[in-house]
Amino acid sequence: GQQLNQSPQSMFIQEGEDVSMNCTSSSIFNTWLWYKQDPGEGPVLLIALYKAGELTSNGRLTAQFGITRKDSFLNISASIPSDVGIYFCAGLSQGGSEKLVFGKGTKLTVNP
Amino acid sequence: GAVVSQHPSRVICKSGTSVKIECRSLDFQATTMFWYRQFPKQSLMLMATSNEGSKATYEQGVEKDKFLINHASLTLSTLTVTSAHPEDSSFYICSALDSNSNQPQHFGDGTRLSIL
Repeated sequence: GQQLNQSPQSMFIQEGEDVSMNCTSSSIFNTWLWYKQDPGEGPVLLIALYKAGELTSNGRLTAQFGITRKDSFLNISASIPSDVGIYFCAGLSQGGSEKLVFGKGTKLTVNP
Repeated sequence: GAVVSQHPSRVICKSGTSVKIECRSLDFQATTMFWYRQFPKQSLMLMATSNEGSKATYEQGVEKDKFLINHASLTLSTLTVTSAHPEDSSFYICSALDSNSNQPQHFGDGTRLSIL
């Protein structure tokens, strides 16, 4: 089945640093989504990307939809302690199915 | 914004008990809802797609007789874990698609199921 390779698996950074994580796949996706999940809660949508090459920002977050439609990255600038959590990429493939494929997540720890 | 309510948020019960989890879309209609399972330190794994007024579509390896799904209205889907055993302990999360919008799935806050 389709798989998303998300990296890195975990990151330990200092407050104020920038963060970058990415997802790649051997399959084409026509939508890329980035979610954040806090412990014991459901995922919250951060950014949705619908077009190859699209670069979208949401506050300190910036994400891009790769031109090949097989990858995406998420950047967080000037990290703060509340950025701590697990970040998931998710892809929606062609063909009308609304089923999401999730990456394995990137656990972010921010040291004050 | 669109809100998905999941209830209960936490369940602890004895082995052999059946447990029902509800997923409601509070301010939109959802023809399609999804049920996921998430084990500790792992990603979300899709269990089934819940379709209003018709049978759910289960992913490979998910037992439909063990995980009963009912989507009787445009705002409610239920997942019943029948005769639950300790290995069914997990975090169950639902999501819903707004039938009148092209927005991505909206997720509930999950249900922590612990079987003793």
